[in-house]
Amino acid sequence: GAGVSQTPSNKVTEKGKYVELRCDPISGHTALYWYRQSLGQGPEFLIYFQGTGAADDSGLPNDRFFAVRPEGSVSTLKIQRTERGDSAVYLCASSSDPSGANVLTFGAGSRLTVL
Amino acid sequence: EDKVVQSPLSLVVHEGDTVTLNCSYEVTNFRSLLWYKQEKKAPTFLFMLTSSGIEKKSGRLSSILDKKELFSILNITATQTGDSAVYLCAVLLLTGNQFYFGTGTSLTVIP
Repeated sequence: GAGVSQTPSNKVTEKGKYVELRCDPISGHTALYWYRQSLGQGPEFLIYFQGTGAADDSGLPNDRFFAVRPEGSVSTLKIQRTERGDSAVYLCASSSDPSGANVLTFGAGSRLTVL
Repeated sequence: EDKVVQSPLSLVVHEGDTVTLNCSYEVTNFRSLLWYKQEKKAPTFLFMLTSSGIEKKSGRLSSILDKKELFSILNITATQTGDSAVYLCAVLLLTGNQFYFGTGTSLTVIP
């Protein structure tokens, strides 16, 4: 697509529920990142994919968070047993540079609210 | 621990003023520094800086990097209300692929 597309744009859920957030990167971009941004903070790195594999998942806060990119394009961030502290905007970004050193293009984000 | 610090945290100016936003970093294996503008949700790219002392310019915005003193500045001249946004600084390392972001500077331009 023309840009990075994220769905849903807003998600409200109850504590303990499971959520999935989807990212459709720019066509042909091999590098894909997930970031989490809390109010008043900068984006915080979660995970980076190069192709289908998670090249760096060191930013995932705990084992409730998981992300996949099975065909090397669309990625899904999965959060199990959501907690109120998971409330944030989840940003996805992609890059055409295999090393990830090129400019990141961000999506509009998915705002998650856990009640 | 690698870190990126931006200052000021917030700034309110009048239209026509000139502003300077600061980004300092303490990282190992620096590769490049990027500036983004975030108005609502998606940060949009402004500049990428890799070499010291070379100014990047786009219209009323300009930026420069000092790799010796480990900081960058973003200048905006003749500010307009449309410049109101959060300006984010990010650093990319030579090793790994993480972009480390600062907390951002919130700029408000009032008419």
